[in-house]
Formats: sequence, structure tokens, C-alpha cells
Amino acid sequence: EAAVTQSPRNKVAVTGGKVTLSCNQTNNHNNMYWYRQDTGHGLRLIHYSYGAGSTEKGDIPDGYKASRPSQENFSLILELATPSQTSVYFCASGQGQNTLYFGAGTRLSVL
Amino acid sequence: QQQVRQSPQSLTVWEGETAILNCSYENSAFDYFPWYQQFPGEGPALLISILSVSDKKEDGRFTIFFNKREKKLSLHIADSQPGDSATYFCAASADYAQGLTFGLGTRVSVFP
Repeated sequence: EAAVTQSPRNKVAVTGGKVTLSCNQTNNHNNMYWYRQDTGHGLRLIHYSYGAGSTEKGDIPDGYKASRPSQENFSLILELATPSQTSVYFCASGQGQNTLYFGAGTRLSVL
Repeated sequence: QQQVRQSPQSLTVWEGETAILNCSYENSAFDYFPWYQQFPGEGPALLISILSVSDKKEDGRFTIFFNKREKKLSLHIADSQPGDSATYFCAASADYAQGLTFGLGTRVSVFP
């Protein structure tokens, strides 16, 4: 069964601190994505990747970096976290015009 | 500028009724339209999808109607069940590898 695992599930960070959100997929999919979900904004694409070593900017990349060190892993990095980055973050994997498989989400609070 | 719009924002139906969720889009290049279902505390999961070459897609109680000329589509949930209570997202893509563009969602509540 397709599986996308995110860690941590919940995170509290301080303003100005560095936050790393991790995502692992066992689907052997080439493409991976990071979205954030906020009330009133739905799901918005932050960064995506076509494969190991590649990262691309999505619709709202400012304040975020991404890293794809391997086929299985895709990280989202907030170098200087701000309260406006408080949100629920979802990682997804996909290949071809097939289903995107989402993880269970990481709830991030920046105080 | 929201490229994918959904209405209504929320919808309440009684068990057994048909729920109708609407979606419209701006970008003529969009050619793939999945609907995702999301329960509280979980990630979205694909429910049903349609390509722009089709005007209808059925899967059990769920049916998508697609009107390319008007850039509109709708999701019909027949014989609604309390377990269908969730948020439904309409999404679209022109280049699958670049991810999906989502609408803001419709929260559906089905009462027994």
C-alpha cells in the first residue's frame, strides 16, 4: 500500500528558529510535493521535486527551502520561522497523472 | 486570484439525499480534475477524477459532470451517508508533475 510518512506530527517552534519537516515515501514515486493548508486558503503548493537532487518552487515558496536527498525523502526547511508560517503542512508523492498520496500532516505552531 | 473555485463553502444534507458540489476554473490548460476527500486530522485522499476529454465519470455513488465549454464541473454524491461527512476539494492540473491547484473546499455534513 502506498505510504507517505511525515515527522514530526506536531511541532512548536519559536520565532526566528530553524524548523525542518521530514517526509518519507515508500511508493517509489519520482515526484514529491509540500503543501500548506490554512482556513480560507485551502491547500497551497510550496515546493516540489522531480527526483533526488531536484527541487522546484511552487506557488508560495518565500520563506521556505526544500531538500530531496534521495528518492524516498523530501524535507521542508524554515530557516527563520515566523508566526505567519503557523499552519498544517502536507507532503505528497505521485507519478504520472495518477493519484497524489498525502501524508497525515504536520501541525506547526510558531510562537 | 483563485484559479479553482468551489461552492458552496458548506453543505448540509439528510441521509439518502444527493449532495451537489460545484467547481469552476480559470485556466484553459487544465486537463485533469481530481476530487479529494479529507476527514479531520487526516490528509486528503483521492475520491474520483476526470480528464477533460470526458463529460462524465461515475464511481459507485460518486459522479463527476464536466462542462469544458463553461469551465465548470460538479460532484454528485448520491444516497449520501453520514460517513460521507468530510471536506471535499476540487483540484486541477495542466502539467501533472508540477502538482495540483486546489479549490478552498466544500464541507459536507450528512445527518441521519
